[in-house]
Amino acid sequence: QKEVEQNSGPLSVPEGAIASLNCTYSDRVSQSFFWYRQYSGKSPELIMSIYSNGDKEDGRFTAQLNKASQYVSLLIRDSQPSDSATYLCAVGASNTGKLIFGQGTTLQVKP
Amino acid sequence: DTEVTQTPKHLVMGMTNKKSLKCEQHMGHRAMYWYKQKAKKPPELMFVYSYEKLSINESVPSRFSPECPNSSLLNLHLHALQPEDSALYLCASSQDEGYSNIQYFGAGTRLSVL
Repeated sequence: QKEVEQNSGPLSVPEGAIASLNCTYSDRVSQSFFWYRQYSGKSPELIMSIYSNGDKEDGRFTAQLNKASQYVSLLIRDSQPSDSATYLCAVGASNTGKLIFGQGTTLQVKP
Repeated sequence: DTEVTQTPKHLVMGMTNKKSLKCEQHMGHRAMYWYKQKAKKPPELMFVYSYEKLSINESVPSRFSPECPNSSLLNLHLHALQPEDSALYLCASSQDEGYSNIQYFGAGTRLSVL
């Protein structure tokens, strides 16, 4: 069974620090990877998509992908209290349009 | 614009009621999805429509009946639901059903079954 694993947290960081969120996946042929942010009671919002090995930066967010290690991460620089949310890692299933979600990591940024 | 609109935002229904959830997008996307999300869990896929045809049914009970009247609209008809069906129901859309396509989510319908 194809799986996506995340540490459920909570991950607590002080304001201004770098938050590092990690995700591993089991399907070696996966090609598409996504990070969604979900505030409590709200719907998931896309933060980053990444398809190639290496880093992809967008503002304070950097996604890192290592297909050999089956590992994808999200770095949030200069963390703000407004970044406090659950971060869902999602992997595109290799043979369908389905997204396989991890359980999510709860991030708490303390002022 | 990456907006997916869901109505209603909240719905309370009894176990004998029939109700419908509506989802609309005007991005020209050809794949639309229904998810169910319970508290502190990730979204759980229910149905996928691709080019207005049902592509995936994740063994969802027949009390949930999806419908795709056109490429912009997706409905979920509800009948004889159980209290355990109370959840956040999310609609999403993507360019098509290819695995590289980003899925954009609507705000969801919070459903309570009494």
